[in-house]
Order: sequence, then C-alpha cells, then structure tokens
Amino acid sequence: QVQLQESGPGLVKPSGTLSLTCAVSGGSISSGVRWWTWVRQPPGKGLEWIGEIFHSGSTNYKPSLQSRVAISMDKSKNQFSLRLSSLTAADTAVYYCASNSGWFHFDYWGQGTLVTVSS
Amino acid sequence: EIVLTQSPGTLSLSPGERATLSCRAGQSLTSSFLAWYQQKPGQAPRLLIYGASSRATGIPDRFSGSGSGTDFTLTISRLEPEDFAVYYCQHYDRSPPEYTFGQGTKLEIK
Repeated sequence: QVQLQESGPGLVKPSGTLSLTCAVSGGSISSGVRWWTWVRQPPGKGLEWIGEIFHSGSTNYKPSLQSRVAISMDKSKNQFSLRLSSLTAADTAVYYCASNSGWFHFDYWGQGTLVTVSS
Repeated sequence: EIVLTQSPGTLSLSPGERATLSCRAGQSLTSSFLAWYQQKPGQAPRLLIYGASSRATGIPDRFSGSGSGTDFTLTISRLEPEDFAVYYCQHYDRSPPEYTFGQGTKLEIK
C-alpha cells in the first residue's frame, strides 16, 4: 500500500517560488510503472493536474503551467518535489501529490497541503 | 485541451434513491482513460472507477460506470449517507500528455 505525504511552507509571497515535497512510503519511486504526480485545488474549486515524473526522470507538465513548473525526484530519499515560480494569488490552492499505476488514473493520494500566496 | 463538462452541477437526492451523474466531452474520448473520483470535504479525492467501468479496489458494487465516445455516466444505485460528496470525472490525453478533470458534481442530501 503506497502512502504519500506532502510537506512544505504554507505561505509564500507573490512573485516567489513554491517548493513542496512528497514523501513516498510502502513502495519505491525508482521501480515499476508508476508516475508520480502533482494536482492542485483552489479553495472551493475543482481539481487541476500540474504534472508528473517517471523514475527515469521523464516529466510531463500542464501546458499552461510549463514555463513555471519543475518536478524532480530524489531516489535516495524516496521522494519527489514540485517547484512553481512567479506565484500569484491564483496559485493559492491545496496541493496534492498522487500516483498512477501507469493506467492513467490516480489510485494513491496524499492528504494535501494548503499553500497560500500572500504578502 | 479536452474539456470535460459534468452535469448537473448539483444533484439533490435522498438516501436510497438512484443517482446518475454525467460527464460529457467535446470530442471522443478513449474509454480506457476515463476515471471517476469521490471527494468529501477536507479529504483527498478517492478513485472510484477507472477505464470507464471498472471499480477500484474496495469500492462497493452500488457504484458503476458506463459510456463511450463523448458521454460517460457514473451511477450510484442506492444512495447511502456516506455517498453525499463531490464527484469528478477525469481523462488522460496522449498528445500532448495531459490529464483533465471535469468541474465536479455535488451530490447533496435532499
């Protein structure tokens, strides 16, 4: 049973950079067919896929966010990370890490962490 | 980007009733790439259905998915009190690789 846990600052300044980490337990991010993913949800709104990373290092990003986002992984710590730059209030959201089994749906989710962009 | 439109926005029903939720796309979708999630307040989404009609592990058989092409449906045969939540459909597009969610349907107690 894969478990995911997000961590990172809950408050970041406009024009700054958001950095979050997702710790993975119950499975290795280095093996198998899983993609490791970030999804966000603005308060009271729907879900938005941000991007994903495979154990090979391959990444895919939402086109509208591609210029501001980077997802990386640290295999030695069994975790992956999200960086989102040039923040505005519109980036305020609960950020979830999740995983798919290679079959294009997300079967494991972290509990989510609220990030507020405000001065 | 594929746009998924869910209807209705809000559905008010009573426990024991049947719920039918719709997810419609502007272009034909690959059924294998269509999933449904349930989300309760303060919780992460939970996978219910994948491949348009396959139930995820541990999901009760009162939940079923169907559809093809541009129209997909999530049906809850007999609503239990714990089923009142927001439901999202989701699709994966290969080119470019991207996941899209519908805007959600809120299922509320009447």
